[in-house]
Amino acid sequence: DTGVSQDPRHKITKRGQNVTFRCDPISEHNRLYWYRQTLGQGPEFLTYFQNEAQLEKSRLLSDRFSAERPKGSFSTLEIQRTEQGDSAMYLCASSRSWTENIQYFGAGTRLSVL
Amino acid sequence: DAKTTQPPSMDCAEGRAANLPCNHSTISGNEYVYWYRQIHSQGPQYIIHGLKNNETNEMASLIITEDRKSSTLILPHATLRDTAVYYCIVCGGTSYGKLTFGQGTILTVHP
Repeated sequence: DTGVSQDPRHKITKRGQNVTFRCDPISEHNRLYWYRQTLGQGPEFLTYFQNEAQLEKSRLLSDRFSAERPKGSFSTLEIQRTEQGDSAMYLCASSRSWTENIQYFGAGTRLSVL
Repeated sequence: DAKTTQPPSMDCAEGRAANLPCNHSTISGNEYVYWYRQIHSQGPQYIIHGLKNNETNEMASLIITEDRKSSTLILPHATLRDTAVYYCIVCGGTSYGKLTFGQGTILTVHP
C-alpha cells in the first residue's frame, strides 16, 4: 500500500493553456474522487468514479473540466483554456468501496495560472 | 448532507487532551459523523467516524451525544504534530460518497 499518488505536485501555466493531472489510487480501491481546494477554504468536491464509471459531477466542474478513469485504475483531470480562477490545489482521494466512506487523499497538485 | 458548525480555532497545550466540538443539529438517522484533519501542505487524513455509539481508535475518540445533534473529537495527549485543521463532516444516506468540507477548526498545539 503506497498511498494515493498525484503527479505533478506543482504546475505553473499561462492563462489559456491546457493542463492535465494524474492520480494513482491505492490498488484495489474502487472509488476515486477529485476535490479542489483554494487558500483558506476546505476542499470542494468535483467528481467521483466507481471503477471506470463517473457517477457524479459537481456544478463546479464546468465544461472546461473533464475527468477520466479509463480502466478503473488511474484517473486524469484535464482543464482546458485555464483561467486565473482555476488556481488551486487539486486533491485526489480513493476509497475501498461505496459502503465505506473512508477516503485516502494524495498530497495534491498545486496549480498556478499566470 | 447535514450542515456542521465548528469553532474557527482552538488552542491546546502539548500533552493535554484536545476536545474539538461539532454541532450537526440537522443530522438524519442514516448519516454518519466523520472527522478528518489536514496538516499544512498535505491532503486530508481520516481520523475516525461513528453513527451513534462512541468510538475509539489509535488516533482519537469520538463522543456523539444521545440525540446525535453534536459530537466531540478527543485527542487524548496532543502533540505538536497534531497542529492541523480538523473537519467534522456528516454524510451518508443518498449522498454516500462525496465529503462536504466546511471551514473546520484550526487546532494549534503549544509547547
